[in-house]
Amino acid sequence: DAKTTQPTSMDCAEGRAANLPCNHSTISGNEYVYWYRQIHSQGPQYIIHGLKNNETNEMASLIITEDRKSSTLILPHATLRDTAVYYCIVRVIYNFNKFYFGSGTKLNVKP
Amino acid sequence: DTAVSQTPKYLVTQMGNDKSIKCEQNLGHDTMYWYKQDSKKFLKIMFSYNNKELIINETVPNRFSPKSPDKAHLNLHINSLELGDSAVYFCASSQDHSGGTGELFFGEGSRLTVL
Repeated sequence: DAKTTQPTSMDCAEGRAANLPCNHSTISGNEYVYWYRQIHSQGPQYIIHGLKNNETNEMASLIITEDRKSSTLILPHATLRDTAVYYCIVRVIYNFNKFYFGSGTKLNVKP
Repeated sequence: DTAVSQTPKYLVTQMGNDKSIKCEQNLGHDTMYWYKQDSKKFLKIMFSYNNKELIINETVPNRFSPKSPDKAHLNLHINSLELGDSAVYFCASSQDHSGGTGELFFGEGSRLTVL
């Protein structure tokens, strides 16, 4: 599986949009981009995933560049409860759901 | 109702002991997993079972033995516990093991401390 690179930590003001970048320059055509988050030692929580097109759900938006070498997770209106470690993961289709979690980005939402 | 539940949440034991962690999911999923999160917070897959059949075994010491009595349950038994086994163990499930959304549903974790 391709590896990802994320900043170690980011700060965001409450109510503002949080934009979390992820580089996956070696991604191949059959790999999806997934985002999970882990709130203070709870189990990781699925946020969103995509292959080529931008995606949006009730939690976030995922913007994938045209060359698919990077992506950005957008939390449109961050709240204090969004403080967590955010993991960007690439996953080969049909690989038995092997998710390899990296070190992620610690997002600190501040009042 | 908790979708993926693990017991116990906390476990403190001595080196050399044998212990088990249990996991149950009520989502009707076919596939279940064990992940280990060490002190550096890296989350690593250990095992996966699909409908009671082992499909992933990520080079885990054979002191760790998963058992799946049915597709709703996946237990983890650890023999001869070592200090390095101290970690948080997460159980997860997914609808299936290949296609679909690939979304994993995680339990709250079981924190194991070996003294």
